[in-house]
Amino acid sequence: DVKVTQSSRYLVKRTGEKVFLECVQDMDHENMFWYRQDPGLGLRLIYFSYDVKMKEKGDIPEGYSVSREKKERFSLILESASTNQTSMYLCASSFQAAGSDEQYFGPGTRLTVT
Amino acid sequence: GQQLNQSPQSMFIQEGEDVSMNCTSSSIFNTWLWYKQDPGEGPVLLIALYKAGELTSNGRLTAQFGITRKDSFLNISASIPSDVGIYFCAGQNLDSNYQLIWGAGTKLIIKP
Repeated sequence: DVKVTQSSRYLVKRTGEKVFLECVQDMDHENMFWYRQDPGLGLRLIYFSYDVKMKEKGDIPEGYSVSREKKERFSLILESASTNQTSMYLCASSFQAAGSDEQYFGPGTRLTVT
Repeated sequence: GQQLNQSPQSMFIQEGEDVSMNCTSSSIFNTWLWYKQDPGEGPVLLIALYKAGELTSNGRLTAQFGITRKDSFLNISASIPSDVGIYFCAGQNLDSNYQLIWGAGTKLIIKP
């Protein structure tokens, strides 16, 4: 079974703090993704990575950065958290092989910025 | 970014009823995926479709890849309380570069 784990299920941070969200997958997937999910807005892609040290911006990268130093780990960084970054954050991973487009998700991190 | 048109937005149904939801796109897709999300959890893959016309079942769930490659539907037969949740469609087209394009979700609520 594919397993994607996220470092925290719930986080509460103060405005201006630097926040790290960690994601680890154990299936040797090449691709990893960070989404945020807000009521009524569905899943929006923040960043994704198709290889170690490679990253590409998604639809809403502003205010976020990412790091992928190892294949199995993809980190999302909020350099200076703001209240409008309160959200559910979801990490996912997938293979690059043709006919293998399924993404597998972690349980999510619900971040509250006060 | 591009979004799929997923409908209905929400459904109130009685236990035992059949459910149908669908997604449409303005462009041709190579892949259609259906996910379910329980409250407070990440989405879980239900069914993956890779060929136009393909019809695939997973227990009480059946999904089809539309013959035009621009739509897909998901049916749930004889709904039960644990079917409650949000169902998402997602797809890939030639320009997607490993990314998925997502529908806004269909929220399924079972009337007591």
